[in-house]
Amino acid sequence: SQKIEQNSEALNIQEGKTATLTCNYTNYSPAYLQWYRQDPGRGPVFLLLIRENEKEKRKERLKVTFDTTLKQSLFHITASQPADSATYLCAPNAGNMLTFGGGTRLMVKP
Amino acid sequence: EPEVTQTPSHQVTQMGQEVILRCVPISNHLYFYWYRQILGQKVEFLVSFYNNEISEKSEIFDDQFSVERPDGSNFTLKIRSTKLEDSAMYFCASSLDRGSYNSPLHFGNGTRLTVT
Repeated sequence: SQKIEQNSEALNIQEGKTATLTCNYTNYSPAYLQWYRQDPGRGPVFLLLIRENEKEKRKERLKVTFDTTLKQSLFHITASQPADSATYLCAPNAGNMLTFGGGTRLMVKP
Repeated sequence: EPEVTQTPSHQVTQMGQEVILRCVPISNHLYFYWYRQILGQKVEFLVSFYNNEISEKSEIFDDQFSVERPDGSNFTLKIRSTKLEDSAMYFCASSLDRGSYNSPLHFGNGTRLTVT
């Protein structure tokens, strides 16, 4: 069955460092993959979309990579800030549907 | 920036009762979705809707669930006879393009449904 794996343990880092979050998927062949941010009690907020023919995508302090051979996407936040503390969700497509991983909670300490 | 709005923010109902959750998607969006998130778990797809009909639905979306776009602006999710396990946060989302290949999903802030 299709599976999306994100590290369920919280990632704690110091302000100013780079946070790297991992998304591994199995039994998917996504044409694209999206990353969302979710704050407690709120809906997911779109951050970045990367397509299967793109290796890397950047937006300000965010960078996403997509390795279809490894079936993995990495999400990086450089120069992290306490305001970046949230849960980050990986979402590869399954046909026309977007399916979400369980998310990784990021805590950035001042 | 336009946003998806959902009402009510919190709904408490008794088991067996019908509930209707309401959403106003972004006005020029064509595709509409319902997702749910049980406390502490992942966001799960329920149904997608386009051109006044269901495009895709998951196994969760059984006969107890229905969706409707009763007018040009609202999009509703009805649960006919609620069960305890329906307690969750229900998110509405909309997108400009199908399959979100070219456009992301825009989510509302959810309705927390509590079934007692």
